[in-house]
Amino acid sequence: QKEVEQNSGPLSVPEGAIASLNCTYSDRGSQSFFWYRQYSGKSPELIMFIYSNGDKEDGRFTAQLNKASQYVSLLIRDSQPSDSATYLCAGEGANAGKSTFGDGTTLTVKP
Amino acid sequence: DGGITQSPKYLFRKEGQNVTLSCEQNLNHDAMYWYRQDPGQGLRLIYYSQIVNDFQKGDIAEGYSVSREKKESFPLTVTSAQKNPTAFYLCASRETKNTEAFFGQGTRLTVV
Repeated sequence: QKEVEQNSGPLSVPEGAIASLNCTYSDRGSQSFFWYRQYSGKSPELIMFIYSNGDKEDGRFTAQLNKASQYVSLLIRDSQPSDSATYLCAGEGANAGKSTFGDGTTLTVKP
Repeated sequence: DGGITQSPKYLFRKEGQNVTLSCEQNLNHDAMYWYRQDPGQGLRLIYYSQIVNDFQKGDIAEGYSVSREKKESFPLTVTSAQKNPTAFYLCASRETKNTEAFFGQGTRLTVV
């Protein structure tokens, strides 16, 4: 089992819909979680990070963390074609010094 | 402008050659990382360094070497022992553990 697994894609949603991206992790010691967005041929950039159980909202983006279920998700409301990219989930233990990345989920938002 | 710079953007290697990828940051970050990304895959950690003059192997260190002689520089050498080096290489830095990583623009290495 991979340490960080993301729901298999690709995921396609119509413009204006909610896109839901999911991630599970196997290491119960993981404490920090990051969502990065990567456009094709480009480097990743941070969208959200979350450390505490519950929801964290930033504009159209909401990250959700459930440590009991070892589950992290990213919701994108009012999806736009510019949101079309690969989304990478990463988890990290308190003293690991390094993040473990999932394989990514490719999202396409259709106009 | 603060940032992290990788060079070159594209690199071609002949069989049996060693090549070195450059990574420089002026963000005053302590930690630096090298990742490899293959098509349709996530990031796999090659090496990382949390402080000058110290570095650790990641998940796929075989065939690679690094040095961290200066805080701002973390070059990666792809040796001839790496049998399948064609990939997209990403360098990242961050202030400390459990914080956001900032990535360079990447180096695309191709074996010819």
